[in-house]
Amino acid sequence: DSGVTQTPKHLITATGQRVTLRCSPRSGDLSVYWYQQSLDQGLQFLIQYYNGEERAKGNILERFSAQQFPDLHSELNLSSLELGDSALYFCASSGTGPKDTQYFGPGTRLTVL
Amino acid sequence: ELKVEQNPLFLSMQEGKNYTIYCNYSTTSDRLYWYRQDPGKSLESLFVLLSNGAVKQEGRLMASLDTKARLSTLHITAAVHDLSATYFCAVHGSGTASKLTFGTGTRLQVTL
Repeated sequence: DSGVTQTPKHLITATGQRVTLRCSPRSGDLSVYWYQQSLDQGLQFLIQYYNGEERAKGNILERFSAQQFPDLHSELNLSSLELGDSALYFCASSGTGPKDTQYFGPGTRLTVL
Repeated sequence: ELKVEQNPLFLSMQEGKNYTIYCNYSTTSDRLYWYRQDPGKSLESLFVLLSNGAVKQEGRLMASLDTKARLSTLHITAAVHDLSATYFCAVHGSGTASKLTFGTGTRLQVTL
């Protein structure tokens, strides 16, 4: 158990809908990262937050947005869902030291029908 | 743009054999990670390599880093079935952003 929690574990929804994925980082970690894992794209970085502020953006679609709250939990919002958004979404957290590893949560499996 | 290549993509090996997974990356990096993923599960951190010549070992797995060649290897010694999983290398880009760029993964299947 990495100490990173994600809810829900599974999500099934329809095209055009909007969903919110939630992540709680390890105790003491200020950085939260979101990744998408799909068969065709592999593991891709989406976005990073550090202590409530956006730090880096990757291949995140405009239909997707994220935020990190004062208690450091983070939410990833996916809207106008398409079939191709079906994937595993991972959240990771880390400290800020140079040796700090990113620890991954269990993931949320999103299925868009 | 940082690119990370892993090979092989799939590796079937017998128990007791040795093999190496390779991870090449395209630009300078200050950190390289190896992760393990079991089917349908999350990523488990195995190693973090921070400097040229770094070598880390845990059980039957040994990882090394050559920053000049932009190459990391994950060596498996005397494989056992429990090592069957997908192994990813991930490279940390230079700069303040801490995003990781992942390789394609190597699916390892250890047969009896």
